[in-house]
Amino acid sequence: GAGVSQTPSNKVTEKGKYVELRCDPISGHTALYWYRQSLGQGPEFLIYFQGTGAADDSGLPNDRFFAVRPEGSVSTLKIQRTERGDSAVYLCASSPTVRETQYFGPGTRLLVL
Amino acid sequence: GQNIDQPTEMTATEGAIVQINCTYQTSGFNGLFWYQQHAGEAPTFLSYNVLDGLEEKGRFSSFLSRSKGYSYLLLKELQMKDSASYLCAVMGPEAAGGSYIPTFGRGTSLIVHP
Repeated sequence: GAGVSQTPSNKVTEKGKYVELRCDPISGHTALYWYRQSLGQGPEFLIYFQGTGAADDSGLPNDRFFAVRPEGSVSTLKIQRTERGDSAVYLCASSPTVRETQYFGPGTRLLVL
Repeated sequence: GQNIDQPTEMTATEGAIVQINCTYQTSGFNGLFWYQQHAGEAPTFLSYNVLDGLEEKGRFSSFLSRSKGYSYLLLKELQMKDSASYLCAVMGPEAAGGSYIPTFGRGTSLIVHP
């Protein structure tokens, strides 16, 4: 079956702009995670959804970052007033339920100029 | 929180065996994952250990000792395509909202040469 998909695969934007990154999880997976990965680092947790609600957003670095999952499937990560330090690969992962193996999407490479 | 340590880089020869170690400290433990990540690609799941011992899956095996806070990933009959980063991730205690958030190490870059 289809895996986790993310769009766009690459995004170049200017400092101060707003961006939206989309994640389409594996069908039937109730748990969805967003991570950020910088070069030479492991994925860093941002936010976790169980169904439609953000069950844990403790990893969001500041209030410029926000994510939604209105229907319990597709999720959108939103970054306002982007900064150069936001440049990274943003990974989405889903799992059937919490505490099970996570399956990652290909990521969105964000570059803020 | 969790603290995870793994070597930054390792090199090995095609056909050989390599062991990638991971040590961790955590206030609660709910499993340890190994992922493989090729450059520019997403991490792909390799193994999951929650009980002590060795789990074997083809050319790859993973070992866990909870009392020592230690795991290793063993790769046998190395192939050039095994050149990748190997990420160790520890699932810690239950967090807010009933979540279980894995903490990833920085990854070990494995270079396989002919």
